Amino acid sequence: KAGVTQTPRYLIKTRGQQVTLSCSPISGHRSVSWYQQTPGQGLQFLFEYFSETQRNKGNFPGRFSGRQFSNSRSEMNVSTLELGDSALYLCASSEGWGGYEQYFGPGTRLTVT
Amino acid sequence: AQTVTQSQPEMSVQEAETVTLSCTYDTSENNYYLFWYKQPPSRQMILVIRQEAYKQQNATENRFSVNFQKAAKSFSLKISDSQLGDTAMYFCAFMKQTGTYKYIFGTGTRLKVLA
Repeated sequence: KAGVTQTPRYLIKTRGQQVTLSCSPISGHRSVSWYQQTPGQGLQFLFEYFSETQRNKGNFPGRFSGRQFSNSRSEMNVSTLELGDSALYLCASSEGWGGYEQYFGPGTRLTVT
Repeated sequence: AQTVTQSQPEMSVQEAETVTLSCTYDTSENNYYLFWYKQPPSRQMILVIRQEAYKQQNATENRFSVNFQKAAKSFSLKISDSQLGDTAMYFCAFMKQTGTYKYIFGTGTRLKVLA
């Protein structure tokens, strides 16, 4: 099976702009989670989707949003970008919701200037 | 709230030797999962090993094994016969089994295997 794919791999944006990141899970996986990874804060959970519904959300401002489509692909959107949003954004998929190991994608490296 | 602490930011080990990475966590939950993930330089994060809290037996995966001490809330990873390919960032993670859940990751331990 193909692994988790994320597009684009690298992105440079300007403060105030918005960005959309995409994640395609492993075939058959219905759960997709998003994480922000930075050197200072480590890995922080953003949100998780299962069957097109957001099941859980981390402590991020409303500028961070997401959605999941019927084919389990997921998108994450960040509006009004700030310099502090520069990070590696990781997507992970799992077969179900709760207790399953997650399979991570390569990440999207977002740089905000 | 759950927390995960990895007190060793960096470690190094000689090839073929054994190294132990520490992880402690804090939770009031009784049912949960613990994980070790490995993130090689510029490569994807992969699952190394998983432990269910209700299982007393320590999980093992080839050269990787854990020492799970539930009462002490400790979950260390032992890597035997270290190989150069083990060089990576290692993250300990916690996930509770009931109610709303989310992974809580530690800050990571950067392991370098020396030739």
